[in-house]
Amino acid sequence: QVQLVQSGAEVKKPGASVKVSCKASGYTFTTHAIHWVRQAPGQRLEWMGWISADNGNTKYSQNFQGRVTITRDTSASTAYMELSSLRSEDTAVYYCARRPFGSSWCDFWGQGTLVTVSS
Amino acid sequence: QSALTQPPSVSGSPGQSVTISCTGTSSDVGSYNLVSWYQQPPGTAPKLMIYEVNNRPSGVPDRFSGSKSGNTASLTISGLQAEDEADYYCSSYTSSSTYVFGTGTKVTVL
Repeated sequence: QVQLVQSGAEVKKPGASVKVSCKASGYTFTTHAIHWVRQAPGQRLEWMGWISADNGNTKYSQNFQGRVTITRDTSASTAYMELSSLRSEDTAVYYCARRPFGSSWCDFWGQGTLVTVSS
Repeated sequence: QSALTQPPSVSGSPGQSVTISCTGTSSDVGSYNLVSWYQQPPGTAPKLMIYEVNNRPSGVPDRFSGSKSGNTASLTISGLQAEDEADYYCSSYTSSSTYVFGTGTKVTVL
């Protein structure tokens, strides 16, 4: 069965960086894109960007002004999201989600990773 | 990219119908039939309910339906059930080749 398993919760200080992983199983990793979406406490979903798992092409939301980098390791069927220059407003649950090529929807989601930014 | 606009909350009694609107612009909802809807019960990851405006993935009850007119998409839940109580988000592809979510709507079953 399809699974996206994310890394565990993180606590970071302002100004630091965080890297969250998303390990895929149960399907061919390189036939889908991986999206990253975050949700601050009590707030809406916010789209961050995506990576094409086959060729590594990426697209990011301008809202993160170059602070986000999404990569993947095809040998490990794992995608990564790194967010730099963290501030308190980045405290959120970060989700990865799978999007089949040629589609516009995410059909499977990871369990989410809580990132807390606090001094 | 601004979020798509949804009503903060809607409510209905069991068996009734509720409709959630999702208003965007000509750069997203209005230009593409690439609107999805996600259901998110408290403390859980989102679940795909509708894709490409009005298509249901396997396993989603036919009580859920979608539509679109101009810059506004809509999700209708017919025959509301207690298990439908959750937050719902729309999402659209945009002319910048990015995606945008809605502001979210809390559905309450009275």
